[in-house]
Amino acid sequence: DVKVTQSSRYLVKRTGEKVFLECVQDMDHENMFWYRQDPGLGLRLIYFSYDVKMKEKGDIPEGYSVSREKKERFSLILESASTNQTSMYLCASSAPGTLYEQYFGPGTRLTVT
Amino acid sequence: RKEVEQDPGPFNVPEGATVAFNCTYSNSASQSFFWYRQDCRKEPKLLMSVYSSGNEDGRFTAQLNRASQYISLLIRDSKLSDSATYLCVVPSYNTDKLIFGTGTRLQVFP
Repeated sequence: DVKVTQSSRYLVKRTGEKVFLECVQDMDHENMFWYRQDPGLGLRLIYFSYDVKMKEKGDIPEGYSVSREKKERFSLILESASTNQTSMYLCASSAPGTLYEQYFGPGTRLTVT
Repeated sequence: RKEVEQDPGPFNVPEGATVAFNCTYSNSASQSFFWYRQDCRKEPKLLMSVYSSGNEDGRFTAQLNRASQYISLLIRDSKLSDSATYLCVVPSYNTDKLIFGTGTRLQVFP
């Protein structure tokens, strides 16, 4: 069974802290994605990656960076957390050729105070 | 015009009812469309794909109207377990990204 896991379900951080959100998939998928989901705005793509060490900006990359050192792991980094980054963060992966069939992790609810 | 628009609902229907909701899209060149389902406090999961005129899977039917640029999701014989938010998803023009609608919430009551 397909599985995407995220390091934390809930996280509370202070403004200015560096935050790491980890995502791991066990399906040997090439493609991995980071989204944030906010009420009334839907899911918005932050960054995605087609392969190890590759990354592409999504629609809202400002204030974020990513790292993909291993195929199964895709990390989202908030260099200096701000209150407007309080959100639900969802990681997803998909196999090559099935870009649109994305499997999501359970999400991390991040609160920045 | 937003790339993908959905009525947020909620649609409140009794068990056994038939319910349908639409999603409009702005990119007339889009060739494929998707419905994802998201249960409360859970992650989205792919429900159905729509590539041409439509797709049917059990009680669920997805249809495409290219002339009016909308897709619809019809649920027959609604079950309590169908209560969820249904996300309309369209690939972005000329990129590999998905554009998610904000979702339509369905609540099925006994």
